[in-house]
Amino acid sequence: EVQLLESGGGLVQPGGSLRLSCAASGFTFKNFALSWVRQAPGKGLEWVSSISARADATYYGDSVKGRFTISRSDSTNTVFLQMSSLRPEDTALYYCARRFVYSSSWFYFGNWGQGTLVTVSS
Amino acid sequence: QSALTQPPSVSGSPGQSVTISCTGSSRDVGSYNRVSWYQQPPGTAPKLIIFEVSNRPSGVPDRFSGSKSGNTASLTISGLQAEDEADYYCSSGTSSDKVVFGEGTKLTVL
Repeated sequence: EVQLLESGGGLVQPGGSLRLSCAASGFTFKNFALSWVRQAPGKGLEWVSSISARADATYYGDSVKGRFTISRSDSTNTVFLQMSSLRPEDTALYYCARRFVYSSSWFYFGNWGQGTLVTVSS
Repeated sequence: QSALTQPPSVSGSPGQSVTISCTGSSRDVGSYNRVSWYQQPPGTAPKLIIFEVSNRPSGVPDRFSGSKSGNTASLTISGLQAEDEADYYCSSGTSSDKVVFGEGTKLTVL
């Protein structure tokens, strides 16, 4: 069974940093692109970032480009999101998502974790 | 990177059909068959229900169907059931290797 378990969320002051982790299991990690999608409280989904299966390509949404960095570790089956210069508008539930297994396209999210909450406030 | 436009809410009675529209531009919905739809019941993670405009993942009922015309994609749910009540989001890959989601539509089953 595919499992994605996010961690690392919490309360951080504006301008601060936080590192999210997503531990994956139940599939061959190195074969799949992985992504982060966030959802502000009571709001819609917003794509944040994605990383290719071989980590040779990374993609970022306009609102986080230059502040967030996605990476992965095939040795620990974990994907990370390093967030810096955090703003109140970054407050959201951050989901980790895996590429849909029946498509080679990285932008279909077939499996999701339960999310980790990030709150940016003074 | 503007969000795709969806109606805030739609509703229908059990057994009826509803259609949710998703309007983008020539930089996303209009130029590629990269449209997908997600279902999100309250308090749960999203679930992929349509990919590549009109394809259903295994296990998704055939009551759910997708289509596209020009810059607008559509999700149709036929034979509405109470369990279909949820938020629905469209999504599209873009010309600049990004993903854009729709604003979301709340479906109420009357």
